[in-house]
Amino acid sequence: DAKTTQPPSMDCAEGRAANLPCNHSTISGNEYVYWYRQIHSQGPQYIIHGLKNNETNEMASLIITEDRKSSTLILPHATLRDTAVYYCIVLRAGGTSYGKLTFGQGTILTVHP
Amino acid sequence: DGGITQSPKYLFRKEGQNVTLSCEQNLNHDAMYWYRQDPGQGLRLIYYSQIVNDFQKGDIAEGYSVSREKKESFPLTVTSAQKNPTAFYLCASTLGTGGGYEQFFGPGTRLTVL
Repeated sequence: DAKTTQPPSMDCAEGRAANLPCNHSTISGNEYVYWYRQIHSQGPQYIIHGLKNNETNEMASLIITEDRKSSTLILPHATLRDTAVYYCIVLRAGGTSYGKLTFGQGTILTVHP
Repeated sequence: DGGITQSPKYLFRKEGQNVTLSCEQNLNHDAMYWYRQDPGQGLRLIYYSQIVNDFQKGDIAEGYSVSREKKESFPLTVTSAQKNPTAFYLCASTLGTGGGYEQFFGPGTRLTVL
């Protein structure tokens, strides 16, 4: 599975959009981009995933560049409860990956008043 | 409500004792996973199971054992052979192991060896 690179930390003002970047320059055609977040001492929470097209759900939007080498997670109106570690993960469809999620260091997002 | 439950939330064990962590899901998911998380680190895969009565070692299986006798249950035993068992343990499940499926996590069990 492709490796991902994320900034170690980011800040965002409450009510503003939080844009979290992820680089996955070695991604291959059958690999999905997943985003999870983890609030301290809790289990990771699924946010969104995509393959090629941009995706939106009730939590966030995922923008994937045309060459698929990077993506951005957008939280449109960040709240204090969005303060968490955000993980960008690349997962291959089928094959020997058996659905294993490989978590890197992630980005610590701090939303401040 | 559908979801994954783990018990207990906190667990204390003396050195040399085996201990079993519970994981139950009512999502009708085929695949289940156990991860371990150390402070400030990402998750590492211990064991996974894609179907009942079948399971495979993950990246750090030494000192751990699992069983999958029922679809909804995937208990993890931390044995005395695990040299550094103090950690946060997370169970997860998913409908399928190909891409495109969400993986749902339980609330975790924090194990401390005294």
